[in-house]
Amino acid sequence: SAVISQKPSRDICQRGTSLTIQCQVDSQVTMMFWYRQQPGQSLTLIATANQGSEATYESGFVIDKFPISRPNLTFSTLTVSNMSPEDSSIYLCSVEATGGAGGYTFGSGTRLTVV
Amino acid sequence: GENVEQHPSTLSVQEGDSAVIKCTYSDSASNYFPWYKQELGKRPQLIIDIRSNVGEKKDQRIAVTLNKTAKHFSLHITETQPEDSAVYFCAAVHSGTYKYIFGTGTRLKVLA
Repeated sequence: SAVISQKPSRDICQRGTSLTIQCQVDSQVTMMFWYRQQPGQSLTLIATANQGSEATYESGFVIDKFPISRPNLTFSTLTVSNMSPEDSSIYLCSVEATGGAGGYTFGSGTRLTVV
Repeated sequence: GENVEQHPSTLSVQEGDSAVIKCTYSDSASNYFPWYKQELGKRPQLIIDIRSNVGEKKDQRIAVTLNKTAKHFSLHITETQPEDSAVYFCAAVHSGTYKYIFGTGTRLKVLA
């Protein structure tokens, strides 16, 4: 299955600033997904990122707040903009399994704390 | 849209006993149902999955069953061990979208 490198692993940020999270995959994948996992909660899909097109956002998430880039088939970034303490969460990227196997592979996550 | 309910939210079992976690989904077009295990501070890891054309799948101590008519699927862990302690998430995937809708999670504690 694909190996994902996600960084940073954690950060503490001041409110009002922005943080960009990067995910690098060791193989080409069509779709990349960005999830948020609030403390003790489940995983909520933020958006789906396809190479060469704008990301598709889920209800409750907007591009101005969570801009996404997908410049090629192995890389994507998620920016959390104008942060507030409510944005404190774990952010994970994921990709579909390669080779026809099922199941997402997740990045190691970015633990964001906004103060 | 798809909604996935998961029960129980917490589950404590004695080592060696079995654990069962149940999920129900709402979208009859969902056709793939993975289960993930997330240990504290780590990423979710796929442990088993089932597709809609199969009723049951087993991998050593874990098994998943699917009832398409009732729209529910279950994870069964037998002979539980302390290292099975983690949060388990089910998910349902709508055919053709690749979007995973996760359940709310079950915190499993295996007591030694």
